[in-house]
Amino acid sequence: EVQLVESGGGLVQPGGSLRLSCAASGFAFSRYAMSWVRQAPGKGLEWVSSITDSGGNTYSADSLKGRFTISRDNSKSTLFLQMNSLRAEDTAIYYCAKGANSGWPYFFDYWGQGTLVTVSS
Amino acid sequence: EIVLTQSPGTLPLSPGERATLSCRASQSVSSNYLAWYQQKPGQAPRLLIYGASSRATGIPDRFSGSGSGTDFTLTISGLEPEDFAVYFCQQYGTSPFTFGPGTKVDV
Repeated sequence: EVQLVESGGGLVQPGGSLRLSCAASGFAFSRYAMSWVRQAPGKGLEWVSSITDSGGNTYSADSLKGRFTISRDNSKSTLFLQMNSLRAEDTAIYYCAKGANSGWPYFFDYWGQGTLVTVSS
Repeated sequence: EIVLTQSPGTLPLSPGERATLSCRASQSVSSNYLAWYQQKPGQAPRLLIYGASSRATGIPDRFSGSGSGTDFTLTISGLEPEDFAVYFCQQYGTSPFTFGPGTKVDV
């Protein structure tokens, strides 16, 4: 059974940083692209970033302007999202999502339950 | 950026009825790379359809997807009580991979 368990969310002040993690199990993690998708409270879904199976290529939403960095550790079946210079508008549930392929195209066949990030003073 | 528009915003229906949800793109979706997801309150989204018309693993055949180019449709033929939820479309042919605002299928 595919399982994706996010952690690392919480309350952070504007301008602060957080590192999210996603522990994966139940599938060959190193063979699949992975992504982060976020959802502001009561709002729709927003793609954040994706990474290929090997980690050799990454893609991110332009709106993030380089503040977020996706990475992975295939030896530990773990996905990361380093978030810097956080703003109030980054407040959202952050979902870890498994890609259906090793790379492009990026649709998501399994999702974690999400971790809440709240940016507030 | 490809903007997706979903209609209607809310679709009031009863169990057993047919639901037809629309997703329109601001420009043609490359290779018909269009997916549909279902989300229930407090839960993560679940993949229903990919490639505009292919059902994901374990999805009942009452869910079907169609369309191409800029116009796509998700049809639920005979609503079950567990189908009342919010449905999002996503295009993944062109980065950034954008989602529509969602359609709520309501009782």
